[in-house]
Amino acid sequence: DAKTTQPPSMDCAEGRAANLPCNHSTISGNEYVYWYRQIHSQGPQYIIHGLKNNETNEMASLIITEDRKSSTLILPHATLRDTAVYYCIADSGGGADGLTFGKGTHLIIQP
Amino acid sequence: EAGVAQSPRYKIIEKRQSVAFWCNPISGHATLYWYQQILGQGPKLLIQFQNNGVVDDSQLPKDRFSAERLKGVDSTLKIQPAKLEDSAVYLCASRVVGWEGPGTDTQYFGPGTRLTVL
Repeated sequence: DAKTTQPPSMDCAEGRAANLPCNHSTISGNEYVYWYRQIHSQGPQYIIHGLKNNETNEMASLIITEDRKSSTLILPHATLRDTAVYYCIADSGGGADGLTFGKGTHLIIQP
Repeated sequence: EAGVAQSPRYKIIEKRQSVAFWCNPISGHATLYWYQQILGQGPKLLIQFQNNGVVDDSQLPKDRFSAERLKGVDSTLKIQPAKLEDSAVYLCASRVVGWEGPGTDTQYFGPGTRLTVL
């Protein structure tokens, strides 16, 4: 699976949109981009995933560039409960195989 | 729907002792995973089961770690003997096989067991 690169930490003001970038320049055509987050002392939680098209669900939006070399996770109205480590993962197994987590981005929502 | 259950939540042991962790996946989830998460790092897959068969155990330190999933439901992960570097959170996750509708093709994680080896 392709390596992903994320900033180690980011801040965002409560109520604003949080935009978390992820670089996956070596991603192959059959690899999906998955986003999980891990709130302190909890297990990771699935957020969203996509292949080529932008995706939106009740938690977030995922914007994938046309060349698929990078993506952005958008939390439209961040709350204090969104403070967590966010992991971007490129996976060719449809999420069925073991996921390869990096260190992720520690997002801190400021009141 | 009940989530993935793990016990105990915390365990402190001395090096060279043995320890076991238990996981009960979401009902109907045939695939089960054990991950190890060392402080400051992302989770790392140790072993993956489908029903009661091992799919991937390439990263499991087999000289001291063992896991089983009898009857294809609950699973236990054992460390014997423990080393200081085994201090970590051990996460269990489960997933359906294939796709059963929107939102089903994801892994669901339990809260983890935090192991401290002294």
